[in-house]
Amino acid sequence: QQQVKQSPQSLIVQKGGISIINCAYENTAFDYFPWYQQFPGKGPALLIAIRPDVSEKKEGRFTISFNKSAKQFSLHIMDSQPGDSATYFCAASNRRETSGSRLTFGEGTQLTVNP
Amino acid sequence: NAGVTQTPKFRVLKTGQSMTLLCAQDMNHEYMYWYRQDPGMGLRLIHYSVGEGTTAKGEVPDGYNVSRLKKQNFLLGLESAAPSQTSVYFCASSRGYNEQFFGPGTRLTVL
Repeated sequence: QQQVKQSPQSLIVQKGGISIINCAYENTAFDYFPWYQQFPGKGPALLIAIRPDVSEKKEGRFTISFNKSAKQFSLHIMDSQPGDSATYFCAASNRRETSGSRLTFGEGTQLTVNP
Repeated sequence: NAGVTQTPKFRVLKTGQSMTLLCAQDMNHEYMYWYRQDPGMGLRLIHYSVGEGTTAKGEVPDGYNVSRLKKQNFLLGLESAAPSQTSVYFCASSRGYNEQFFGPGTRLTVL
């Protein structure tokens, strides 16, 4: 059972455009929502993360928007660049559990930014 | 610092064979994890460990065993490989509930 649903599965954007990836979760106990970026042949790496006490977090061109009532969060990449072409995973965890370090990942979105 | 390293990088097994994947980290992290990555399914947690000598089941533990005899190492074993275990395996480590650092992965094919 996938507790975190991610869409779209793939996304093609022109250089300079905005890339938007969406995730929805079911478990209302989740309280930590990171996004990981993975380049081909590499392991995922943390890109940005948010906690549910804020509705938005921005780091450079990357922004997470969080809607607690809708149980949804999204990643926005402004001024998308070819170097942003990668697979992006959303994830969630419940840090209050004894196994609170466990992450539940979405299915992944393959982003291609055309020059 | 090498971070998280995985051995081997690639492996081909025949059905029924066994093997062990080795993960090592030099960041003195307490927590370590094994994931498998399959197309369209994201990363799924197989087993994890919250400290030396401890292990726990994740989302998809069947057919795998793990051991954490030393803090810096986390071993993943397949006792009798099956084609359904063809996947890319990632090890990760973290300091508590913080950022997880991933290794480069092991691509396993079971024929």
